[in-house]
Amino acid sequence: EAQVTQNPRYLITVTGKKLTVTCSQNMNHEYMSWYRQDPGLGLRQIYYSMNVEVTDKGDVPEGYKVSRKEKRNFPLILESPSPNQTSLYFCASSFDRSRANYGYTFGSGTRLTVV
Amino acid sequence: DAKTTQPPSMDCAEGRAANLPCNHSTISGNEYVYWYRQIHSQGPQYIIHGLKNNETNEMASLIITEDRKSSTLILPHATLRDTAVYYCIVRVGGLGSGYALNFGKGTSLLVTP
Repeated sequence: EAQVTQNPRYLITVTGKKLTVTCSQNMNHEYMSWYRQDPGLGLRQIYYSMNVEVTDKGDVPEGYKVSRKEKRNFPLILESPSPNQTSLYFCASSFDRSRANYGYTFGSGTRLTVV
Repeated sequence: DAKTTQPPSMDCAEGRAANLPCNHSTISGNEYVYWYRQIHSQGPQYIIHGLKNNETNEMASLIITEDRKSSTLILPHATLRDTAVYYCIVRVGGLGSGYALNFGKGTSLLVTP
């Protein structure tokens, strides 16, 4: 089944403890992206990647890092999490611009709580 | 990307057609209309998109007015599982400038028995 897989689904951590949320897609998509969703603020893009070793900042990149060493994986790294990073996180993927007009496929989400 | 306006909420009886409107009066000639939905806290789901012609797939139909300033997403036979927030997004086709999807606030559709 074509899908975007995120892990973990739920995570509670303490301030300052480094964590990684994994994202993997099996559709050979070039483009991958991370969003966070907060009440009243909607979905906002954190980082995106056009292909292996190519990443760029989205609208709210502060406090996050990403890497794209393999096409299928795009982990989100919080080096020193803070309570304001408590949120619902989604990973998404799509074909690149050469196959225009494809929709994005989203993962099921990771609910992160930082205490 | 062009701004969209959607009603905040709508109701629909199960089995009836759900017609969700979207206004996008500032749409440009190269901008497409995309629809996504999000069922409570799940990942958004792509539904359909179009440029100027009406489109239909296994999930829904998209009707775009001739002047392209508004569109309607039609779920022909709504079920309880269609209860979700529906987002109308107007943007350049493909990944476009900035690549991010601007979801806005969407329409919360409640399908009732």
